[in-house]
Amino acid sequence: DIVMTQSPDSLAVSLGERATINCKSSQSVFYSSNNKNYLAWYQQKPGQPPKLLIYWASTRESGVPDRFSGSGSGTDFTLTISSLQAEDVAVYYCQQYYTTPRTFGQGTKVEIE
Amino acid sequence: QVQLVQSGAEVKKPGASVKVSCKASGYTFNSHYLHWVRQAPGQGLEWMGVINPSGGGTRYAQKFQGRVTMTRDTSASTVYMELSSLRSEDTAVYYCARDLPEAPFDYWGQGTLITVSS
Repeated sequence: DIVMTQSPDSLAVSLGERATINCKSSQSVFYSSNNKNYLAWYQQKPGQPPKLLIYWASTRESGVPDRFSGSGSGTDFTLTISSLQAEDVAVYYCQQYYTTPRTFGQGTKVEIE
Repeated sequence: QVQLVQSGAEVKKPGASVKVSCKASGYTFNSHYLHWVRQAPGQGLEWMGVINPSGGGTRYAQKFQGRVTMTRDTSASTVYMELSSLRSEDTAVYYCARDLPEAPFDYWGQGTLITVSS
């Protein structure tokens, strides 16, 4: 199974400041035949199911604000919130969909400082 | 619009079984796989398995092999997840989520809380 490891486990950022979350996979999730990274990011707020934010490592889902961006390739990925808003307080998960079983990172809790 | 609507919360005793349903609407039922993911209180997301509504084929996480069964009723556009031999550690919110092959989970059910307690 591919193990996904996120860092940090939690972070507190001031409103309007940048938040950066890292995700590392135990093996590459890059598929050379189509030049795609099979990596997604989800946002989960309390009492709600996860919401897809980013897929193919850097493609924003429709309706997701452009302050959210994803980057990285192979085994190392980053989710960046460029200017943290109050509504961004949530837990963020990375997930690989390169293979089954689908695996998630342990989550990163983002709070306001 | 796409919706995945799950059955309601349940309380079960240790050793019992539970069957959770996930009714799909707003898209062609057979076109997307349906996965089950659970989340224990205060914990992260754990993938349990997947069913292909088209042929009924399944794949389960090794951890749940022998205890989980996923089925579907194409006439009702509904998938089911049955978990047996429940123990307290199975207390969690159970989600269904859909995807296409080689794609992320784009829609999720609202979640079903299963509480296992004597």
